[in-house]
Amino acid sequence: NAGVTQTPKFRVLKTGQSMTLLCAQDMNHEYMYWYRQDPGMGLRLIHYSVGEGTTAKGEVPDGYNVSRLKKQNFLLGLESAAPSQTSVYFCASTRAANYGYTFGSGTRLTVV
Amino acid sequence: GQNIDQPTEMTATEGAIVQINCTYQTSGFNGLFWYQQHAGEAPTFLSYNVLDGLEEKGRFSSFLSRSKGYSYLLLKELQMKDSASYLCAVRFYGGATNKLIFGTGTLLAVQP
Repeated sequence: NAGVTQTPKFRVLKTGQSMTLLCAQDMNHEYMYWYRQDPGMGLRLIHYSVGEGTTAKGEVPDGYNVSRLKKQNFLLGLESAAPSQTSVYFCASTRAANYGYTFGSGTRLTVV
Repeated sequence: GQNIDQPTEMTATEGAIVQINCTYQTSGFNGLFWYQQHAGEAPTFLSYNVLDGLEEKGRFSSFLSRSKGYSYLLLKELQMKDSASYLCAVRFYGGATNKLIFGTGTLLAVQP
């Protein structure tokens, strides 16, 4: 069982470039989330999805877009990267309210 | 806001017991989670509390008092491998989203 798989694991972008982070889960989970983690800030929710075809904004959505065309995949896009988006990005999924999240291994993104 | 507060750092000795506290805003509370995160890795689920009282899982226990907006994670018989960040996360009512708000984490250092 792969669980939650994030690709890529590392990336360096130049300011203004675009990229897509892919999150794939094989547990048939309905709920999927994108968080960013920065030193001293903890995990902050960017966007989330409560099912295939749905997306919603979290705490820090500006500069990001998401899509959930298939239940197993949740994509996070950066249209025009900025140095402030340098962070570690974690995808997570869960099947129900009282279950913990399963996290992917993270994507370390540096924007120069 | 939905502030979640926990100490930034703690130090304890191998074999000892340590208690990591977490306080949160009580309005809209709908469940509390604890996660462990080793450096450079993804968070992993430790425990879930939604009712008052103590939940025990081996060396780890988690306590919740809903009226006080207070939880703690208790780690017994500390081992060197328990050196990690411990994240407190709260689910608040807000539709069927299951989104969690995370504290900034408590970095625990276990010394020989």
